[in-house]
Amino acid sequence: LAKTTQPISMDSYEGQEVNITCSHNNIATNDYITWYQQFPSQGPRFIIQGYKTKVTNEVASLFIPADRKSSTLSLPRVSLSDTAVYYCLVGDSGNQGGKLIFGQGTELSVKP
Amino acid sequence: GAVVSQHPSWVICKSGTSVKIECRSLDFQATTMFWYRQFPKQSLMLMATSNEGSKATYEQGVEKDKFLINHASLTLSTLTVTSAHPEDSSFYICSARDIRLAGEQFFGPGTRLTVL
Repeated sequence: LAKTTQPISMDSYEGQEVNITCSHNNIATNDYITWYQQFPSQGPRFIIQGYKTKVTNEVASLFIPADRKSSTLSLPRVSLSDTAVYYCLVGDSGNQGGKLIFGQGTELSVKP
Repeated sequence: GAVVSQHPSWVICKSGTSVKIECRSLDFQATTMFWYRQFPKQSLMLMATSNEGSKATYEQGVEKDKFLINHASLTLSTLTVTSAHPEDSSFYICSARDIRLAGEQFFGPGTRLTVL
């Protein structure tokens, strides 16, 4: 399973756009990139998933360059409630039985 | 849709006792369930993978005799922490996967175990 590297922490202010970049140099051809959000004492919550180029949903955008060795989660106009840990995961749901290996995550702190 | 529940949400027990944690998929059939453990300020660590009707596959370093996993039905998996000790105190999270839903995993809310 591809290993991921993210910044340990990031600070932002309300209303700003936040971009969290994840490196996954050893990503395999069949791997998808998935981002989860976790609040303290809660299970992770799915945010977005992509394979290449750009994916957008109601909460975030995911940018993936052509070589797919990195990805950037973009959170538009963050609020205090976006303070959480964000995990980037890389894997193929068909292989490894769907195992997800969590890296250290990025602790995002949004300030007023 | 795609809701996963865990019971109990928290439990406190004495050292040496066994504790059972349930993980249920409420509105889908979970062909595979995963159990994670998370210590404070750390990431989730995958403990084991369980497929309905078969033995669980444990990650390296996880004691299968201490963490008993049963996945007897498509909607229920249980994790039993046997002879719990204070070092087993942690946040235990399960996730469930339905291959019919493109393999996406859905996480439970977690169970906080405190062993005195």
